[in-house]
Amino acid sequence: EAGVAQSPRYKIIEKRQSVAFWCNPISGHATLYWYQQILGQGPKLLIQFQNNGVVDDSQLPKDRFSAERLKGVDSTLKIQPAKLEDSAVYLCASSLVSTHSGNTIYFGEGSWLTVV
Amino acid sequence: AQRVTQPEKLLSVFKGAPVELKCNYSYSGSPELFWYVQYSRQRLQLLLRHISRESIKGFTADLNKGETSFHLKKPFAQEEDSAMYYCAPNYGGSQGNLIFGKGTKLSVKP
Repeated sequence: EAGVAQSPRYKIIEKRQSVAFWCNPISGHATLYWYQQILGQGPKLLIQFQNNGVVDDSQLPKDRFSAERLKGVDSTLKIQPAKLEDSAVYLCASSLVSTHSGNTIYFGEGSWLTVV
Repeated sequence: AQRVTQPEKLLSVFKGAPVELKCNYSYSGSPELFWYVQYSRQRLQLLLRHISRESIKGFTADLNKGETSFHLKKPFAQEEDSAMYYCAPNYGGSQGNLIFGKGTKLSVKP
């Protein structure tokens, strides 16, 4: 089956500019995640969707980050305005369900953001 | 706060040697434990989960609730095992998202 698709793969922007990342999850996966992975650290959850509703966005810096999944399939993550510390890999992931057990999460290849 | 600790940033072994990647998690209910792996130029992928009690690519991991540990082991390391390994408890509930450790880079030398 096709995996989680993300674009763009690489982006370089200046601070205070905006950027948007797109994700297409595995077909039929109800749950979609956006993770931020800063160099040398493990991925950190930014936001989790169940269909088109937000389940958890407690770690999303809402003053500059936003995400949507309007039709419960594709999702976009936007950063505006970007800061130097936003340089990271943004990973999109999806899973069939978000219950405690049996929850295999599948990851995309990531979108690499460099803010200069 | 829910935390996961992988004390070794880098672990270097020779081919054929045993390897153990350590993981300790903070106790908060009964999380499901996972190991994820990222090979060079590949996406992050599931290696194994404790609930399955399976061996994948020769790796096993035993959940020790008393020590809150979930160490990953392999008796004879291979060069193709070189990768980043992340321990990730899932504290679940209605959300079911993973908390990742900082990762351990395993380097298997010929």
